[in-house]
Amino acid sequence: EAGVVQSPRYKIIEKKQPVAFWCNPISGHNTLYWYLQNLGQGPELLIRYENEEAVDDSQLPKDRFSAERLKGVDSTLKIQPAELGDSAVYLCASSPGLFADTQYFGPGTRLTVL
Amino acid sequence: GENVEQHPSTLSVQEGDSAVIKCTYSDSASNYFPWYKQELGKRPQLIIDIRSNVGEKKDQRIAVTLNKTAKHFSLHITETQPEDSAVYFCAASNSGGGADGLTFGKGTHLIIQP
Repeated sequence: EAGVVQSPRYKIIEKKQPVAFWCNPISGHNTLYWYLQNLGQGPELLIRYENEEAVDDSQLPKDRFSAERLKGVDSTLKIQPAELGDSAVYLCASSPGLFADTQYFGPGTRLTVL
Repeated sequence: GENVEQHPSTLSVQEGDSAVIKCTYSDSASNYFPWYKQELGKRPQLIIDIRSNVGEKKDQRIAVTLNKTAKHFSLHITETQPEDSAVYFCAASNSGGGADGLTFGKGTHLIIQP
């Protein structure tokens, strides 16, 4: 079984530029999460999807961050414009969903904003 | 919201000795407590988890204990080996009806001395 796939693995951009990250969850997993992990810290939840619906986006900075999960499978997280403080690893995770809550993480995208 | 505290931040033990990492949580509604291992530059990987209806769970050299009254849970690794060296994260969530996002601790850097 393939795991959670993310791309790109690394991204370097200038501040004020836009950037997008892509995630393909494990097949059949209804729940998808985006986390942000700063260096030396634990992951922090940005948004959770149940199928195509964003059911928890309270931690997503909506002035510059946006996300979508069209058709309830792949998801894209976007930052526009990026700031220096956005440099971090962006992790995607998925779980089967209702009453099956084990989360499986992707390898992450390491973003560097210059 | 939930708050998870993790101690110690760094733990150095001799190979073959035991290691214990402790976490406390604040939200009494939390009922799912996973532990993740993360090697440098890699994805977090689930090593063991426990739910609030269980007090202890073991898997070979790894065990987790949960004290709901005190709101703390611990990871125990016995007969430590060099490959156990990594950062370990505890987490908590309320997974009553859906797979809520996890709240992570800040991590423990476990160093196994040869």
